[in-house]
This record gives sequence, C-alpha cells and structure tokens, in this order.
Amino acid sequence: AQKVTQAQTEISVVEKEDVTLDCVYETRDTTYYLFWYKQPPSGELVFLIRRNSFDEQNEISGRYSWNFQKSTSSFNFTITASQVVDSAVYFCALSENSGYALNFGKGTSLLVTP
Amino acid sequence: NAGVTQTPKFQVLKTGQSMTLQCAQDMNHEYMSWYRQDPGMGLRLIHYSVGAGITDQGEVPNGYNVSRSTTEDFPLRLLSAAPSQTSVYFCASSPPWGSGKDTQYFGPGTRLTVL
Repeated sequence: AQKVTQAQTEISVVEKEDVTLDCVYETRDTTYYLFWYKQPPSGELVFLIRRNSFDEQNEISGRYSWNFQKSTSSFNFTITASQVVDSAVYFCALSENSGYALNFGKGTSLLVTP
Repeated sequence: NAGVTQTPKFQVLKTGQSMTLQCAQDMNHEYMSWYRQDPGMGLRLIHYSVGAGITDQGEVPNGYNVSRSTTEDFPLRLLSAAPSQTSVYFCASSPPWGSGKDTQYFGPGTRLTVL
C-alpha cells in the first residue's frame, strides 16, 4: 500500500511565483518522521527537513516553509518567490520509528522558468 | 568526513553478469540501506542493515544480496544481472533514531545499465 502520496507529478511555474508541493501520508504508528528531499538535475539527494510526529509546529527556512497537519495526514512544502535553481524533483518520505527504511513518494518534478 | 561514498558511479553490464556495488560511510552510523530509483517510482528499499552482521530485506530484494562485515561497508551484489535491474542505486546511512541527528544521509548514486 502506498504510504506516501505526492499527487502532483509535474509542476511548472514562472520565476517569483509561489508554489506548494503536496504530500499525504498513511501510517498507524503514533511515532514517525516525515522528510523532504530535493533531487536536482545532477542527481544527488539533498536533505531539506525532518519533522517528527509530535512536533506540528510549522517551519520556515528562508524561502522554504513546511505545513504539517496530522488531522489531514499532510506535510506540504511551499517555496516562496521561486527561482530557476529550485528546479528539481522533490520527494516526501515517511519513516515509521526506524532509522533504516524510508518510504518515499514518487516525487514531484518542479520546473521554474525565467 | 567523506560521508557516504559509492563506487562505481556508472556501470554497464550484460545480462547474466554479476557485480558488486560498493558503499562506505565514515560517520560510524549503525544503520545502512540500499535503494533503487526508477523513473516515476521514487526510491524503493532493497536491503538494509541495523549493524555489523545483521541484514534484512526491504521492499524489492529479489536478485540482490548484501552482507555487513564492518560498520563502514555495505556492498550490494547482483548475482545475475537482468535488464529489469537497470536503475540508479543509492546507498544511505543513519544513526539510530533518537540520536538527535535523525535522518538518512545518501551517497551520490550508481547508475547501472544492464543490456
């Protein structure tokens, strides 16, 4: 069963637009972690954020912000004033109280054009 | 620290050939994992290890073997390569959850093509 759903396969925006990437997860555990990773065209996986299930406080880091809502099992990622360098595939992932296994969504490909 | 290193970066095999993808980490992490990434599929877990001498299967283990004789190394073996194993392979390591640094650190990946 799909544990992490990223319904948006591809998104295209013009530079300076705001964009939100959706992530819906499914778990029966009360303790779990959620992650976002960025995969630029060069192919490496870049860690962006980790959030544990007990911390629903939203987080902002520069132009990036994350909205975690347990009531809707969502962990959405917003990029404000997007830039061409934000073009990448973004993955949301879930870890159910383990350090060795992440369940990844299928990713959202974001293209930011000038 | 070099972090997580993988070799080779690229490899082309013929069907039926065997090979080993190397993965090493210098962060003294207990946990190590192998994932494969296919277009439109995200990353899927192949095998993982929670410590030296301990390995287990993930979501897609068929056709792959692993062993963990040291904390640092976690090689992935393809016994008889098949075209379906054409993929990008990522190795990752992490400390046990609850250490305060709870995330997986990924290597740069190995792009494997099986003809």
